[in-house]
Amino acid sequence: DAGITQSPRHKVTETGTPVTLRCHQTENHRYMYWYRQDPGHGLRLIHYSYGVKDTDKGEVSDGYSVSRSKTEDFLLTLESATSSQTSVYFCAISGGADTQYFGPGTRLTVL
Amino acid sequence: TQLLEQSPQFLSIQEGENLTVYCNSSSVFSSLQWYRQEPGEGPVLLVTVVTGGEVKKLKRLTFQFGDARKDSSLHITAAQPGDTGLYLCAGDTGTASKLTFGTGTRLQVTL
Repeated sequence: DAGITQSPRHKVTETGTPVTLRCHQTENHRYMYWYRQDPGHGLRLIHYSYGVKDTDKGEVSDGYSVSRSKTEDFLLTLESATSSQTSVYFCAISGGADTQYFGPGTRLTVL
Repeated sequence: TQLLEQSPQFLSIQEGENLTVYCNSSSVFSSLQWYRQEPGEGPVLLVTVVTGGEVKKLKRLTFQFGDARKDSSLHITAAQPGDTGLYLCAGDTGTASKLTFGTGTRLQVTL
């Protein structure tokens, strides 16, 4: 199994509070991705990174920001959480050969 | 935006039956992947198809990539309860190893 961990695994927060999710990899892969998964929508890309300090937006980036200061860590921040951001968040990594390896997910509930 | 539609959305069958899941798009993809996801876990890659018309077999699973590289199918022969899960197709966008995911097919196989 690819070495990917996500923290926290579960979080309940209130509307308007900031939230940061962490993805950590031990594979030294170049590409890292944040997705959200909601019923009926499959997986939708939020942001991705193609190297340290190199990031770009995905299809559902509004309300989210990311940072990657080290190869192994990719942080997803919700500056001011809203109920519409209640979802399961997955981090994925890729060495560049199309295949993506996914972390175990973080279940976020915004009340 | 490249979209991938999967059908059916839900499938409940008995052990031993055969089934086919479809993944369709109006866009051409350089490659297409199939993932399976179990509850509480991240998706896991099953197969990647690259060439138009390509057929790949993985034990009782047969994957086909359409000639025009716009669609794909997954056929399972003699389904078993262990096949239960969410099946996702994903097309390579050709940029930074980004994938566009389909909406998913949830399969339940009962005894």
